Amino acid sequence: DADVTQTPRNRITKTGKRIMLECSQTKGHDRMYWYRQDPGLGLRLIYYSFDVKDINKGEISDGYSVSRQAQAKFSLSLESAIPNQTALYFCATSDFGRSTGELFFGEGSRLTVL
Amino acid sequence: GQNIDQPTEMTATEGAIVQINCTYQTSGFNGLFWYQQHAGEAPTFLSYNVLDGLEEKGRFSSFLSRSKGYSYLLLKELQMKDSASYLCAVCDSNYQLIWGAGTKLIIKP
Repeated sequence: DADVTQTPRNRITKTGKRIMLECSQTKGHDRMYWYRQDPGLGLRLIYYSFDVKDINKGEISDGYSVSRQAQAKFSLSLESAIPNQTALYFCATSDFGRSTGELFFGEGSRLTVL
Repeated sequence: GQNIDQPTEMTATEGAIVQINCTYQTSGFNGLFWYQQHAGEAPTFLSYNVLDGLEEKGRFSSFLSRSKGYSYLLLKELQMKDSASYLCAVCDSNYQLIWGAGTKLIIKP
């Protein structure tokens, strides 16, 4: 089983629909992140959380919201999806204090908004 | 602004050596990462440099020059499975990762 699990892996939806992408991890890491990846662009940070009570906006948070339900769970919501939110979304975790801080990524959630 | 530059695409031959460069301009520096990403898959960690010099790990090595804002990833004895994108990322003064767009490496037989 993967250490960082994302659901769903693929989703096609329509403009205006609410979508939730879920992420759970078994690595015991405090830090969790949501990124999106678009062709020709670097990974862009949407939101990050350093612990359950700490939520921070990344560089492209508009149109997104998150919830850190527990140390192991971090979900991303699109309240009203639009076509330019079509992308590959990655959840990641890190444990900066006890390692080099490298990120461990989930397998990705491919979202298509029609 | 903060910027990471790396070539968009490179081609190399199986068994050869390839060097992928990364230059950066960031507000502060707390380390540089290289990740490998196969098409449609998640990035996976390759290396981390925080001090100047060369870090070797098997067929892969990573070099850093902080004064020049420059790093490279060196891949030796290329194999077909090395065909992937290679992502450079710099940890800035706020411990935020700034990502390059990635270099797509194509390996030909």
